[in-house]
Amino acid sequence: DAKTTQPPSMDCAEGRAANLPCNHSTISGNEYVYWYRQIHSQGPQYIIHGLKNNETNEMASLIITEDRKSSTLILPHATLRDTAVYYCIVRARHPTFSNDYKLSFGAGTTVTVRA
Amino acid sequence: GAGVSQSPSNKVTEKGKDVELRCDPISGHTALYWYRQRLGQGLEFLIYFQGNSAPDKSGLPSDRFSAERTGESVSTLTIQRTQQEDSAVYLCASSLAPGPGPQHFGDGTRLSIL
Repeated sequence: DAKTTQPPSMDCAEGRAANLPCNHSTISGNEYVYWYRQIHSQGPQYIIHGLKNNETNEMASLIITEDRKSSTLILPHATLRDTAVYYCIVRARHPTFSNDYKLSFGAGTTVTVRA
Repeated sequence: GAGVSQSPSNKVTEKGKDVELRCDPISGHTALYWYRQRLGQGLEFLIYFQGNSAPDKSGLPSDRFSAERTGESVSTLTIQRTQQEDSAVYLCASSLAPGPGPQHFGDGTRLSIL
């Protein structure tokens, strides 16, 4: 899987949008961008994933650049409960291309939402 | 619907004892995964189930570790003759199908070996 680069930490004000960047310049055409987060003392939580189009769900929006070399996760109205470590990873698109079901994270971005 | 459920949430036991950790995956998810996470560390893959079969047990640290899955549902991870280095959070995840799709995690069992 392609390597990703994220800032180690960022602060965000409660109620404001949090924009989390991720670089994945070596991403290949068959790889998706995935975001997970891990709140303290909880298991990792899947947030969203996308290939090349922007995606939105009830948790967040994912904006992927046209060249797919970077992306931004947007938490539209951050709350204190969004304080967590956020992980950006890339994963193969099709199981037949990869049996890489083993999930692993880098260091991620520690996001602290402040009141 | 219900998410992945793990029990117990915490387990404290003496060195040398056996422990069983339980995972109830999301209904209908055919793939189930066990991971270990030591304090401040990343995910360590242990084993993967497709249905009731375990095609990949490569991450089990030693023969003291075993796991089974029944009814294409509940899975149990057993650690025999526990050692202090087994202390960690044991996480279970499930996904609709095997492969790189989203994995949904439980909150883990925090195992402490005295």
